Amino acid sequence: KAGVTQTPRYLIKTRGQQVTLSCSPISGHRSVSWYQQTPGQGLQFLFEYFSETQRNKGNFPGRFSGRQFSNSRSEMNVSTLELGDSALYLCASSSAPRGRGETQYFGPGTRLLVL
Amino acid sequence: DAKTTQPPSMDCAEGRAANLPCNHSTISGNEYVYWYRQIHSQGPQYIIHGLKNNETNEMASLIITEDRKSSTLILPHATLRDTAVYYCIVRVGRNSGYALNFGKGTSLLVTP
Repeated sequence: KAGVTQTPRYLIKTRGQQVTLSCSPISGHRSVSWYQQTPGQGLQFLFEYFSETQRNKGNFPGRFSGRQFSNSRSEMNVSTLELGDSALYLCASSSAPRGRGETQYFGPGTRLLVL
Repeated sequence: DAKTTQPPSMDCAEGRAANLPCNHSTISGNEYVYWYRQIHSQGPQYIIHGLKNNETNEMASLIITEDRKSSTLILPHATLRDTAVYYCIVRVGRNSGYALNFGKGTSLLVTP
């Protein structure tokens, strides 16, 4: 089975621009979560989608948004980019709809640099 | 939500067992303990998880104390490729959906 894929792998933007990142989950997985990783804050949860609905949300401003399509692929969008948005953005997918013990599998990440 | 405490760093000689401890004294009865690792600049890699019983897979063993307040990840024969940051996580979120709270993890250095 192919793993979680993320595109693009690297991205350079300037302040004020917006960016869209894409994630394709493992085949059959219906839950997709997004995380941001920075040297200062570590890995932080952004949001989770299941069946095209945002099911859980972390503590990030509204500039960070996401969506999930009927094929479970997900995108996240960051508007009005700030220098502090430079980070590794990670996507993870899992199979179970809810409940106990489901495992999240991570993609390689998209490294975003905001200049 | 239960939090975890891990030592910031550990060393291990290649070929020896690496034992990584984790304290999660406030864990709830239905919360699982997960272990992930992250090699520099890559996505986190799932290792193992458990609820009450000890678990073993092809990568590692997980030993959970009877009171569930702590656990130990064991890499039986560490190799240089096991050098990574290891995260002990207790699943947070009770109803719909959940998030993984990664914390700072333990940086494991395997030396020749």
